[in-house]
Amino acid sequence: GAVVSQHPSRVICKSGTSVKIECRSLDFQATTMFWYRQFPKQSLMLMATSNEGSKATYEQGVEKDKFLINHASLTLSTLTVTSAHPEDSSFYICSALRDRGLNTEAFFGQGTRLTVV
Amino acid sequence: AQSVSQHNHHVILSEAASLELGCNYSYGGTVNLFWYVQYPGQHLQLLLKYFSGDPLVKGIKGFEAEFIKSKFSFNLRKPSVQWSDTAEYFCAVTISGGYNKLIFGAGTRLAVHP
Repeated sequence: GAVVSQHPSRVICKSGTSVKIECRSLDFQATTMFWYRQFPKQSLMLMATSNEGSKATYEQGVEKDKFLINHASLTLSTLTVTSAHPEDSSFYICSALRDRGLNTEAFFGQGTRLTVV
Repeated sequence: AQSVSQHNHHVILSEAASLELGCNYSYGGTVNLFWYVQYPGQHLQLLLKYFSGDPLVKGIKGFEAEFIKSKFSFNLRKPSVQWSDTAEYFCAVTISGGYNKLIFGAGTRLAVHP
């Protein structure tokens, strides 16, 4: 299958600082990427849909000024958690959509464990 | 709001046992349905998907799932599990077509003992 790389896999930051997470599609172009958040023993919750060259579409209840998404190229989307607080500690997962008509498929990154201290 | 329910949070089986993981969704319209697997330390991977046609879908590694529209269900099955099937399994649904707004279940953690 196609490869989506997410970096970093783990990050610890101090409260009040910002953290950037990268999501790259390594062997295909993705006009659409998705960002999810997963709490322990819970579902992946869709945070936003990232569209190359345009503004991200955020799900209800997700603060767009806190979770900045940039999809500047067809292979890279970034999620920046601004002014992070301990309640932002979570597992963040991205996926990239490989658009091939009926064989369209979403490929997932390995996730980023964010801990805010 | 639309939701996906996976009734079994933890399942423990011995090798060669049969597996069935339940998945129900709440939405009355057209849906696309997916099962993903996450092996320890690895990415989420697609096991199988249903868009239309034959409601019995065969996926990779001997897994299959049956879409029963009247029951809003998409249960995952495997007749004989192996130790290597130890993983977490997620059911997911999209309600607007394609891969927009994938809604995931909470996941089922499967442990297969040799």
